[in-house]
Amino acid sequence: QSALTQPASVSGSPGQSTTISCTGTSSDVGTYDFVSWYQQHPGSAPKLIIYAVSKRPSGVSDRFSGSKSGNTASLTVSGLQAEDEADYYCCSYASSPTSVLFGGGTKLTVL
Amino acid sequence: EVQLLESGGGLVQPGGSLRLSCAASGLTFSRTAMSWVRQAPGKGLQWVSAITGSGDITHYADSVQGRFTISRDNSENTVSLQMNSLRVDDTAVYFCALDSTSSGAYDHWGQGTLVTVSS
Repeated sequence: QSALTQPASVSGSPGQSTTISCTGTSSDVGTYDFVSWYQQHPGSAPKLIIYAVSKRPSGVSDRFSGSKSGNTASLTVSGLQAEDEADYYCCSYASSPTSVLFGGGTKLTVL
Repeated sequence: EVQLLESGGGLVQPGGSLRLSCAASGLTFSRTAMSWVRQAPGKGLQWVSAITGSGDITHYADSVQGRFTISRDNSENTVSLQMNSLRVDDTAVYFCALDSTSSGAYDHWGQGTLVTVSS
């Protein structure tokens, strides 16, 4: 049950785009489309922003988009805004044994 | 509106026990799998345990297997986490979470309850 691998930090200027990667294995990200992404501001519970690799829950800005290629999933935040500054976590279903894996988290800084 | 409210956190000595509860409202509880996710101070999210809607199947992270037990009471709309043999590295905010997307994603979270394991 190893955690998924994310960069510790990414940054971008307002209006720009940035992408956060999430690397797993063939036992999790590579096989299942059960990949989700969460945004967490300090002192708050995580908020779901992407599920099933690329779907957005109702009310989530279309500036957030998700994709997957092989064992790596990605979250792209376009048109960066100050309010996007937060920690972002990827998550995947995993098998053998059944479990849920989170990435270590990525701190997004809006410069 | 779905609401999740955790309770039961607190300070406990290493080797001790604690029972967390999560009360759910605004959903058909018995049809919804429930999970616990924790976050150590200044650290990332870690999945802890999950239970199916009927309560017949449970799953645990390796780090808590054999020490923690998840259960639910569908008549009371509650899910619990019995934590035994607690260790210092179990110190964390424990969140109750549920997936109504049917895709393994947690779209509803509680506010969390802090468990501190220290002598």
